[in-house]
Amino acid sequence: SQKIEQNSEALNIQEGKTATLTCNYTNYSPAYLQWYRQDPGRGPVFLLLIRENEKEKRKERLKVTFDTTLKQSLFHITASQPADSATYLCALGDSGNTPLVFGKGTRLSVIA
Amino acid sequence: GAVVSQHPSRVICKSGTSVKIECRSLDFQATTMFWYRQFPKQSLMLMATSNEGSKATYEQGVEKDKFLINHASLTLSTLTVTSAHPEDSSFYICSASGQAQKGGNTIYFGEGSWLTVV
Repeated sequence: SQKIEQNSEALNIQEGKTATLTCNYTNYSPAYLQWYRQDPGRGPVFLLLIRENEKEKRKERLKVTFDTTLKQSLFHITASQPADSATYLCALGDSGNTPLVFGKGTRLSVIA
Repeated sequence: GAVVSQHPSRVICKSGTSVKIECRSLDFQATTMFWYRQFPKQSLMLMATSNEGSKATYEQGVEKDKFLINHASLTLSTLTVTSAHPEDSSFYICSASGQAQKGGNTIYFGEGSWLTVV
């Protein structure tokens, strides 16, 4: 069965450092991978999408890589800020009309 | 602004009663909507996929007679938890697939609904 693993349940880093979150998957060949931010008690908010034929995507302080050989995506937040503290979810998808498959998320805490 | 609206955001109901949660796409037509449930510190678990005008497709282990889904229009899907029990207490989230103002077919999430059954 499909399995998605996000490297750790929680990650603490110092403000200003780069946070790196990992998403690994097995038994799946997604057309794309997405990263979401979820704050406590709120729905997920879309951050970035990267397709299977793309290696890297950037958006402001965010960078996502996608290695379909390793079946892994890395999500980086550079110059992290306390406001970046949240749970980050990776999700795999085939097309817009099929449901996303989510990882459990990594809870990031950026300490001032 | 939000493109998918969920209502209510929080609801408390008595055991044995039914509660309805609405999910609306605000500025686009959602041909497909998804309903998820999330327990604390857990991932979003897909419950069902609903397509406008047809019956919902439920995931294994989800009781279709307990979790009634109606996708009556291209902008509204409802989830009704019937004969609710305390173990149904959870965070329910809907998402909708369609073309919104940013263009392209993508998936947007509602803000979620906290259900507490007492």
